[in-house]
Amino acid sequence: DIQMTQSPSSLSASVGDRVTITCRASQGINNYLTWYQQKPGKVPKLLIYAASTLQSGVPSRFSGSGYGTDFTLTISSLQPEDVASYYCQKYNSGPLTFGGGTKVEIK
Amino acid sequence: EVQLLESGGDLVQPGGSLRLSCAASGFTFSNYAMSWVRQAPGKGLEWVSSITGSGDSTYYADSVKGRFTISRDSSKNTLYLQMNSLRAEDTAVYYCAKYNSEYYYHYYMDVWGKGTTVTVSS
Repeated sequence: DIQMTQSPSSLSASVGDRVTITCRASQGINNYLTWYQQKPGKVPKLLIYAASTLQSGVPSRFSGSGYGTDFTLTISSLQPEDVASYYCQKYNSGPLTFGGGTKVEIK
Repeated sequence: EVQLLESGGDLVQPGGSLRLSCAASGFTFSNYAMSWVRQAPGKGLEWVSSITGSGDSTYYADSVKGRFTISRDSSKNTLYLQMNSLRAEDTAVYYCAKYNSEYYYHYYMDVWGKGTTVTVSS
């Protein structure tokens, strides 16, 4: 089965900082990757699908990139409302595995 | 507006059974694949099971295969998860989620319910 590894597991950054989260698949998954945001005590929300397509209504400071095995989620200018855990998920075939998550906090 | 409302979560003893339900509204239920995803306390998301829009194909995580059964009733617009032989490690919030297609491979979950809590403990 393909494993999804996210890094870092947590990070602390200042408002306005550029933040990058990585997700690595143990085998190629083309661009079948989503990113979800889960704010504390809330339901996961779809941010990005097909590795780089922004879901409707998601602020443009969020962006995704990558193909094959290496993917990134970038927040261009971190805002207080971005405090959350972020998860990648593969959806090509086999188990629909999530990454372990990255917790983003404000410094 | 698309809405998913889970119910059925409870405290159950190890080895017991429970059936979760997810009532769907705001979309043509039979046209979309559905999924269950769980989250143990303080932990990350874990995909549990998926079912196609027609209900003729299902898929399970190894951790629940043989113990859980996903099903759907399009006449009731409801998704189910029958959970048998429950273990302490099944303790989690269980979310139902809708795919953006009748299939689950190559398509993603775009709407999630608020979740229902299952606690397995003696």
